[in-house]
Amino acid sequence: AQSVTQLGSHVSVSEGALVLLRCNYSSSVPPYLFWYVQYPNQGLQLLLKYTTGATLVKGINGFEAEFKKSETSFHLTKPSAHMSDAAEYFCAVSGKAGTALIFGKGTTLSVSS
Amino acid sequence: DADVTQTPRNRITKTGKRIMLECSQTKGHDRMYWYRQDPGLGLRLIYYSFDVKDINKGEISDGYSVSRQAQAKFSLSLESAIPNQTALYFCATSDPGTSGVIFGEQFFGPGTRLTVL
Repeated sequence: AQSVTQLGSHVSVSEGALVLLRCNYSSSVPPYLFWYVQYPNQGLQLLLKYTTGATLVKGINGFEAEFKKSETSFHLTKPSAHMSDAAEYFCAVSGKAGTALIFGKGTTLSVSS
Repeated sequence: DADVTQTPRNRITKTGKRIMLECSQTKGHDRMYWYRQDPGLGLRLIYYSFDVKDINKGEISDGYSVSRQAQAKFSLSLESAIPNQTALYFCATSDPGTSGVIFGEQFFGPGTRLTVL
């Protein structure tokens, strides 16, 4: 079975500071990993995904994530936060063959000026 | 135009009423999904369909049913709505991906906010 744990339901940073959102996964098969963002009153938008190959994945809006198999982690980072990054972020892992994504509970990112 | 649309966007109903949420997509994807989102719980899978004749229960299917009317349409029904079904409901689509990747990314609709009184 697959599962995702997002550490910290709420993260607050100052504008210009490093953003680090933590995600650990459990998977009995090689995982496919995703980060989605949800802006207020909107649906989910894909930030980035890891399938195979390079373990450092770059996404939209300056975000990136690194797949670390030994740590079963897929943390999301951005060097410098913008006010527009304030949103809820979801980490997800693919389920076993034939099932859908398994989502974490989400992390709300607040950015202060 | 949006690739994945959901109707209605907001709905308030009473306990015991039957309600249907509709999802349409123009992405040409075979795979469609229904999730519900509750604060602090993330998204949980209700049902999914890999083609018109293939429908599967997800993690929390009790109290829900679905219909895949066509490749592009996937409806979610609450036969007798109850207050704990108050939530934000999302439809999503995906294709199998390419180059051996089994699961491609999922594309989400804007959501339907359902309130059951």
